[in-house]
Amino acid sequence: DVKVTQSSRYLVKRTGEKVFLECVQDMDHENMFWYRQDPGLGLRLIYFSYDVKMKEKGDIPEGYSVSREKKERFSLILESASTNQTSMYLCASSPLDRLETQYFGPGTRLLVL
Amino acid sequence: DQQVKQNSPSLSVQEGRISILNCDYTNSMFDYFLWYKKYPAEGPTFLISISSIKDKNEDGRFTVFLNKSAKHLSLHIVPSQPGDSAVYFCAASDNAGNMLTFGGGTRLMVKP
Repeated sequence: DVKVTQSSRYLVKRTGEKVFLECVQDMDHENMFWYRQDPGLGLRLIYFSYDVKMKEKGDIPEGYSVSREKKERFSLILESASTNQTSMYLCASSPLDRLETQYFGPGTRLLVL
Repeated sequence: DQQVKQNSPSLSVQEGRISILNCDYTNSMFDYFLWYKKYPAEGPTFLISISSIKDKNEDGRFTVFLNKSAKHLSLHIVPSQPGDSAVYFCAASDNAGNMLTFGGGTRLMVKP
């Protein structure tokens, strides 16, 4: 059974803190993605990675960075959290040739105070 | 500007009746469309897809229709069941291998 796990379900951080969101997949997928989900806006792509140490910007990369040191792990970093980064963050993975069929983790709800 | 739009944020349907969820897109380069379903506290899960070479794809109670000239797709659920209550996202990708673009979602409530 395919599985994407995210390190935290809920996080509360203060403005200016550095925040790490971790994602691990056990399907040996090449592609991994970070989205944020906001009401009425759907899922918006922040960053994705198609290989270890490779990353590409998505639609809304500002204020975020990512790290992929191992194939199974993709980290999202908020260098200095701001209140407008309060959101639901979703990680996903897919095989290299099936980019559109993505498997999602349960999400991390982040509140920045 | 959103390239994929779901204009109905919510939809309420009686159990046993048909649910129709709609999605419009503006990018004519989109050639593959998907529907994802999301329960609270869970990530979205893939439901059904359709390629632009087809106008209909069916999987059990779920059917997706594509009208390319109108840049419109719809998801039909027949008969609707209370367990179908969830948020449904449509998504699209283009033949250049670009990322999925998601709509804003429609919350479906199926009443017993």
